[in-house]
Amino acid sequence: GENVEQHPSTLSVQEGDSAVIKCTYSDSASNYFPWYKQELGKRPQLIIDIRSNVGEKKDQRIAVTLNKTAKHFSLHITETQPEDSAVYFCAASNNFGNEKLTFGTGTRLTIIP
Amino acid sequence: EPEVTQTPSHQVTQMGQEVILRCVPISNHLYFYWYRQILGQKVEFLVSFYNNEISEKSEIFDDQFSVERPDGSNFTLKIRSTKLEDSAMYFCASSALVISDEQFFGPGTRLTVL
Repeated sequence: GENVEQHPSTLSVQEGDSAVIKCTYSDSASNYFPWYKQELGKRPQLIIDIRSNVGEKKDQRIAVTLNKTAKHFSLHITETQPEDSAVYFCAASNNFGNEKLTFGTGTRLTIIP
Repeated sequence: EPEVTQTPSHQVTQMGQEVILRCVPISNHLYFYWYRQILGQKVEFLVSFYNNEISEKSEIFDDQFSVERPDGSNFTLKIRSTKLEDSAMYFCASSALVISDEQFFGPGTRLTVL
């Protein structure tokens, strides 16, 4: 089955700087890669996703890149703000999200004011 | 904006007891899921449900677990005889066929088994 690795497990970034979180996946059939943000005690919320037919996607300060050959994808947050502090999970799925999501182990991002 | 809802928010039970966790998916969604998250760990897939039947289940989803869609709105997860290791946050999620790839998560039910 699919295995998703995520690094780093913790990341501290000065406010205004950029943060990068990286994930690798094992199943070449995976074609959908969402990123979820989870604040303490809250539900995971989708912040951005990418399909395998696209190499990069951007939404304001957040971008995701995908390298299918290397089977890795990354989340980039620019101009970080204190409210970006949370745990971020990457995930992978077949069938464009209508199959199970396999999650990475999470990255605790702390923005230092 | 429509949301997935779950009840109860927190359930405390004794080991060996049965629990039923309830979810109301977003109304036009067709795929339903249960995930669990042990404290401080990643979210893990339990089961997916489509067209009134289980479409996939993980190795965690053993004979102690069952799911049901008893009516047009509710989606339930039953644990027949709870174990200490079942203590976790249980998330329900739903997604729409074709319209969007996104799985929308509910707020979760924190299950504590004593």
